[in-house]
Amino acid sequence: DGGITQSPKYLFRKEGQNVTLSCEQNLNHDAMYWYRQDPGQGLRLIYYSQIVNDFQKGDIAEGYSVSREKKESFPLTVTSAQKNPTAFYLCASRDRSREAFFGQGTRLTVV
Amino acid sequence: KQEVTQIPAALSVPEGENLVLNCSFTDSAIYNLQWFRQDPGKGLTSLLLIQSSQREQTSGRLNASLDKSSGRSTLYIAASQPGDSATYLCAVLKAAGNKLTFGGGTRVLVKP
Repeated sequence: DGGITQSPKYLFRKEGQNVTLSCEQNLNHDAMYWYRQDPGQGLRLIYYSQIVNDFQKGDIAEGYSVSREKKESFPLTVTSAQKNPTAFYLCASRDRSREAFFGQGTRLTVV
Repeated sequence: KQEVTQIPAALSVPEGENLVLNCSFTDSAIYNLQWFRQDPGKGLTSLLLIQSSQREQTSGRLNASLDKSSGRSTLYIAASQPGDSATYLCAVLKAAGNKLTFGGGTRVLVKP
């Protein structure tokens, strides 16, 4: 089945620790996105990538980093510089008709 | 900067009533507008995509309209059911570039 797979579903981070969230798609989409969602709020764009080896900062990129070494993969690292990382993280990809599709999300909690 | 607003933030209706959800955006230079559904703790499911050249799209009980010049889109859900209870989000894609901007969502409760 074609789709977007995010892992893990739940992730716990200790203070000062870096963690990496995985996002894999087998839809052959060029564009991929990372969003953050806080309780009762809409989605805010962290990073996006239009093509392999290229990515752009979104509205809230500070404390996050990404890579795009393969078309299928767009991992997000939440660094220790992100002071309030507890949130629901969503990965998306977009096809040529420019319709966006989302994964099931990763819930990150600081312990 | 594109801003997307959804009003109301929450809506409660009895089963069988039609739902009307609103989305407004400040920059009319969009490529398309997409409506999504989100269940608690889950990802987003795409409902309808309207290209900027289109006025509406329909899928089953769902109909979405787009008035680009006034910066508005409306999602109609006919004959609501308890299973329609969810948060509905709209998102616009800029005509230039690839940024997808979301509204804050409307949380819908359909009471049996």
